[in-house]
Amino acid sequence: GESVGLHLPTLSVQEGDNSIINCAYSNSASDYFIWYKQESGKGPQFIIDIRSNMDKRQGQRVTVLLNKTVKHLSLQIAATQPGDSAVYFCAEKGSSASKIIFGSGTRLSIRP
Amino acid sequence: EAQVTQNPRYLITVTGKKLTVTCSQNMNHEYMSWYRQDPGLGLRQIYYSMNVEVTDKGDVPEGYKVSRKEKRNFPLILESPSPNQTSLYFCASSLQGVSYEQYFGPGTRLTVT
Repeated sequence: GESVGLHLPTLSVQEGDNSIINCAYSNSASDYFIWYKQESGKGPQFIIDIRSNMDKRQGQRVTVLLNKTVKHLSLQIAATQPGDSAVYFCAEKGSSASKIIFGSGTRLSIRP
Repeated sequence: EAQVTQNPRYLITVTGKKLTVTCSQNMNHEYMSWYRQDPGLGLRQIYYSMNVEVTDKGDVPEGYKVSRKEKRNFPLILESPSPNQTSLYFCASSLQGVSYEQYFGPGTRLTVT
């Protein structure tokens, strides 16, 4: 079956450093991937997405990299700030155009 | 303000007592979906709706019902709640399906005793 997972459940980063959150997916036919941020007590919030015809996409302080060869997705956050503390989920559009599969999440904590 | 609202935000109920969690969006989105979030399991899709009167099962639909009689509302119904439905529930909407950004509501924490 399809699955989306994360290499590390927690990540601790020094404030100001760059953060890299990784994600593996299993469905090689997936054509759309998304990263969400979930702060404590809130619903997930869209960060950035990427379609399978791209390898890299940049937003404001965030970059998503897609390696289709090894079915790997990563989220890079530049100059990590205290406000970046949250759980980050990768998600994959499944074989159905109407369904999406979320990974279990990585908690990012920031050291002052 | 563009948003997805859910009510109630918190609910404690007993086994077998029917309940409804409402979801409403003001963005004229066609797609709406319900998820449950459990520790270590991430978000799992319960039901989704591509448009009015069109609903379909997600990955964990057992014990739940939904309806989509109008575009803005997508209530989640638990006809006979059980303790294993204790969870954090999120409603989400997007313009057209999952290939568009989904906007999530604030969540409803449900406890079934």
